[in-house]
This record gives sequence, C-alpha cells and structure tokens, in this order.
Amino acid sequence: DTAVSQTPKYLVTQMGNDKSIKCEQNLGHDTMYWYKQDSKKFLKIMFSYNNKELIINETVPNRFSPKSPDKAHLNLHINSLELGDSAVYFCASSQPWTPRLWEQFFGPGTRLTVL
Amino acid sequence: DAKTTQPTSMDCAEGRAANLPCNHSTISGNEYVYWYRQIHSQGPQYIIHGLKNNETNEMASLIITEDRKSSTLILPHATLRDTAVYYCIVRVALNDYKLSFGAGTTVTVRA
Repeated sequence: DTAVSQTPKYLVTQMGNDKSIKCEQNLGHDTMYWYKQDSKKFLKIMFSYNNKELIINETVPNRFSPKSPDKAHLNLHINSLELGDSAVYFCASSQPWTPRLWEQFFGPGTRLTVL
Repeated sequence: DAKTTQPTSMDCAEGRAANLPCNHSTISGNEYVYWYRQIHSQGPQYIIHGLKNNETNEMASLIITEDRKSSTLILPHATLRDTAVYYCIVRVALNDYKLSFGAGTTVTVRA
C-alpha cells in the first residue's frame, strides 16, 4: 500500500502551459506539503496545508496554486509554466502537534520538464 | 532554527558501520535532531530523531553528545542500498511546519 502517491511521475510540457500534479495520502495525516527540488538538489518547502487550510506559503510565485479538496489530497496547479519551473516536486504528509510532526512521509516525486 | 554542518561526502565499505557526523553548536534546549535520507530518484525518508538521549530503531542509531552540540548517525551494517544523501535537521518539535533541508552528506557504500 502506497502511503503518499503522486501523479504523474513525469511531466513534460511547453512553456506557457498550465499543468497540475496530484497528491494523495492514505495515512490519515492532517498536514500535507509540497516541496521543490531543483537541479542543484536543494529541497525547499513551497506550501503546507493543515486540515485543508494553507499554513505555509514560502514566497512562491502566484502561478503556483495548491488546492486541498480534503485532508487526504493536496494538488498543485501551475499556470503559465516557465523554464525555471523544471524540477522534481515532492508531496509529503505528517501528523501535527506531536513530535511526529517531523516524521514526514514523502511521495515518489514528479519530475517536471518545461521545454 | 539551529544551523547544522555536515561533511559533503563520505565512503563506507559494505558490511561495515557508517558513522555520519553532524554539528549543531547553536542548538536550543527544545530543538530535536532529525535525520532523513534521500536515495537517488526517490523522496526523502525519515530515519530517526532524538532530543538528548541516544536513540535506536530498526534503521539506525543516533548518538547525541552530552552538550548536544553534535550528533552521529550510525548505520550499523551498511549495504549498497544505503547509498544516499543523508540530511541532519534541527527543529523545534511542535513549532510551525517548515522542514529545511541543507546540502546533506552524500554517502557511497562500496562493495
């Protein structure tokens, strides 16, 4: 059973297009995250949602819009894709208000390539 | 958050123990030490965490010095599958939701 799943695994698209990445977790966690890992391999948090409410937005361009239809899902929609958006995007989840907050479970990643 | 310093890379022989150091000299009393690893092309994986006592689980052991200014992650019998980037992170357990990854240590286990 996959704990955190993402679709698609690979996404190749043209500049200017709009695309979405989906994430689902079956761990019953209240908190979900999106991270971006660029070509230099640094992993940076983008967004965090707790019980469908946005709690972290790390100066990400407005072209990125997360949406959480329920606490098991956190999707990432990207408008007007740019070359610099090419990266691997990871979804993660954890359970807050305990030390296990930092036991984050990561998905397999979505490699986005913008041409 | 306290800053951490790790070696850029290290090699380890298969079957031997791998000792990964991490310095966190500015750690506060309520900050935990967490270790994650990222195997190539996979998402990061939680390994272990601790506050001041040494900890052990099925994956690794965490040794924290008495002054808490440094710690060592020990992989007791390294296998080729342990080749990964290992991240040492210091965080207050219940404080906000940001997990900041540094450059980590690239560990290569050789046969």
